[in-house]
Amino acid sequence: EILMTQSPAILSVSPGEGATLSCRASQSIDGNVAWYQQNPGQAPRLLIYRASSRATGVPVRFSGSGSATEFTLTISSLQSEDFVLYYCQQFSNWPPTFGQGTRVELK
Amino acid sequence: QVQLVESGGGVVQPGRSLRLSCAASGFTFTNYAMHWVRQAPGKGLEWVAIIYSDGNTEFYVDSVKGRFTVSRDNTRNTVVLQMNSLRAEDTAVYFCARSLYSSSWYLGYWGQGSLVTVSS
Repeated sequence: EILMTQSPAILSVSPGEGATLSCRASQSIDGNVAWYQQNPGQAPRLLIYRASSRATGVPVRFSGSGSATEFTLTISSLQSEDFVLYYCQQFSNWPPTFGQGTRVELK
Repeated sequence: QVQLVESGGGVVQPGRSLRLSCAASGFTFTNYAMHWVRQAPGKGLEWVAIIYSDGNTEFYVDSVKGRFTVSRDNTRNTVVLQMNSLRAEDTAVYFCARSLYSSSWYLGYWGQGSLVTVSS
């Protein structure tokens, strides 16, 4: 099973600043990575798929990059609604696995 | 628009069974694989199962294999997760999700979730 390690666990950012969230896979997974955003008490929402493709309706301030074992979600200028939880997911190898999450909090 | 509505959650004793349903609308159900993902209270996400569009192919995470069964009714646009021999560690919110496209493993749309509590 591929382990997905997200860092940092908590990221403190001021509104309007940028944020970089990292996800490291325990082995190479090509580009089969997705990023999800989750508000408290709600279902996750797909942000990025295939490592860098934005899902429909996702603001352009969200971007994904990376390959092999290192992947990044970048939020260019944080808005108030962005201070929530983010998960990465891989499915290059069975079973699909998620990272443990990064919480973006208000600095 | 795509809608997924789960039902059937509740409190159940260890060793008993529970059946979750997911009613889908707003898209051509037969074109997409469907997934179940769970989230234990205060914890992260765990993918549970997938059923492909024809209903003949399913995969499960090891921790539920042999206890959970996923099925779908393509005439009623529903997917069901039958959970048997439930354990305390199965306590979670269970989300129904649709593949972003075809049989992809990207979870493009999610239901609101249904809470399952396994407790004596």
